[in-house]
Amino acid sequence: EPEVTQTPSHQVTQMGQEVILRCVPISNHLYFYWYRQILGQKVEFLVSFYNNEISEKSEIFDDQFSVERPDGSNFTLKIRSTKLEDSAMYFCASSNEGRETQYFGPGTRLLVL
Amino acid sequence: DQQVKQNSPSLSVQEGRISILNCDYTNSMFDYFLWYKKYPAEGPTFLISISSIKDKNEDGRFTVFLNKSAKHLSLHIVPSQPGDSAVYFCAASAYGNNRLAFGKGNQVVVIP
Repeated sequence: EPEVTQTPSHQVTQMGQEVILRCVPISNHLYFYWYRQILGQKVEFLVSFYNNEISEKSEIFDDQFSVERPDGSNFTLKIRSTKLEDSAMYFCASSNEGRETQYFGPGTRLLVL
Repeated sequence: DQQVKQNSPSLSVQEGRISILNCDYTNSMFDYFLWYKKYPAEGPTFLISISSIKDKNEDGRFTVFLNKSAKHLSLHIVPSQPGDSAVYFCAASAYGNNRLAFGKGNQVVVIP
């Protein structure tokens, strides 16, 4: 069964460093998403991406964040200058259509020290 | 942000009995609802969904009920199995956008 994959599974970084989280969505899906879950809190929407551009973003997704689809398979989330409060589990998701079920990857646990 | 609320954070149920999880929402623009299951160290796994044109959707042991007037939905799992022990998230999206709003989740423990 096709699945969303994410790398790395864990990332530890120093405050102020840049990190890139990688995702390979399900191959025939057209919509891509990033969510995050801070420990003990809800899963929160960050951004959605369709047709090589951002289609929606939340207030969390500020100028420190960017997304890219550098090739036909990868979808990345970059945090330019990490802060302590960026420590969270980051989930990538994809869907075939915009209002259809979103399928989630296993997540990347980011720890900012 | 309390658009999707899941109260009663944990539930213990005997194997073979019914598990009932509840979810309330405040945004009247929500028209598509999903339930996800999550095991530790894994991503949310899709279980079942329902659109606002229906009031019930069933898939095997899982049934979702939607009461639009009360802005309430519930997930019934019957019979419950030990493998159902996980955190269950209710999520919703509104017409015109694709973002999912999640509840905080309910921990379900099925006792063999």
